[in-house]
Amino acid sequence: SQQGEEDPQALSIQEGENATMNCSYKTSINNLQWYRQNSGRGLVHLILIRSNEREKHSGRLRVTLDTSKKSSSLLITASRAADTASYFCARRVIQGAQKLVFGQGTRLTINP
Amino acid sequence: DTAVSQTPKYLVTQMGNDKSIKCEQNLGHDTMYWYKQDSKKFLKIMFSYNNKELIINETVPNRFSPKSPDKAHLNLHINSLELGDSAVYFCASSQTQGGPGELFFGEGSRLTVL
Repeated sequence: SQQGEEDPQALSIQEGENATMNCSYKTSINNLQWYRQNSGRGLVHLILIRSNEREKHSGRLRVTLDTSKKSSSLLITASRAADTASYFCARRVIQGAQKLVFGQGTRLTINP
Repeated sequence: DTAVSQTPKYLVTQMGNDKSIKCEQNLGHDTMYWYKQDSKKFLKIMFSYNNKELIINETVPNRFSPKSPDKAHLNLHINSLELGDSAVYFCASSQTQGGPGELFFGEGSRLTVL
C-alpha cells in the first residue's frame, strides 16, 4: 500500500505545550506535505518539504524529513486553542502519474 | 472569493438513487481532483484531471463518473448509490499535474445514503 501511517492517531495537550506528530511512508517520494483540517472543513496546506531537504520552518511549524527512515515529523511549538484540528501528511509518490497520497491524520486537541 | 467551491455541501438520499456534485475553481489551475474521506478520516484519491483529460482513476467503481467540461470545472456523478458511498467528497486543484503540487481543497460535500 502507498498509504503510510500517522502517529499518534489522537493527541491531547495543554495550551502552550509543543505538539509532535509523525508520519511514515513506504514508497519513494518527490515531496511530502502537511495539511490541516478543521472540523467540518476542507484541508488547508501548511508546508511542503522536498525529498532533498531535511528540515523546514514556517512560523511555529517545524517539519523534518528522513528519507532513509521514510519518516517525517511536524512540530507545532507554543500550541494555541486554535491549533485544534486534524493534521495530515501527504506524500507525492513517484509511481506512474504523480499523485498526493494521504493517510488517516492525527487528531490534535489543545486544552485551554 | 472562494478558490475551490463545490455544491451541494450536504446530500441525503436513498440507496439506488443517482446524485451529482459540482466543483469549480477560479485559481487558473490545470489539474483537478476528487478525493473521498471516509468515517475514519482516511482521504483517498479517486480521480485526477489535467486540462480536461483523465490522468488518474483509482479503481473506482464505474458507478462513479467524473466529467470535466473545461479545466475550471470537475463534476462527479454517482449512479445507483450504495450505503458504502456515504462519505465526504472533496474537490481539489493544483497548478500543474507534474509540479510539486500543493493542493487547494473545497469545503467538502457530505453524502449520506440511507
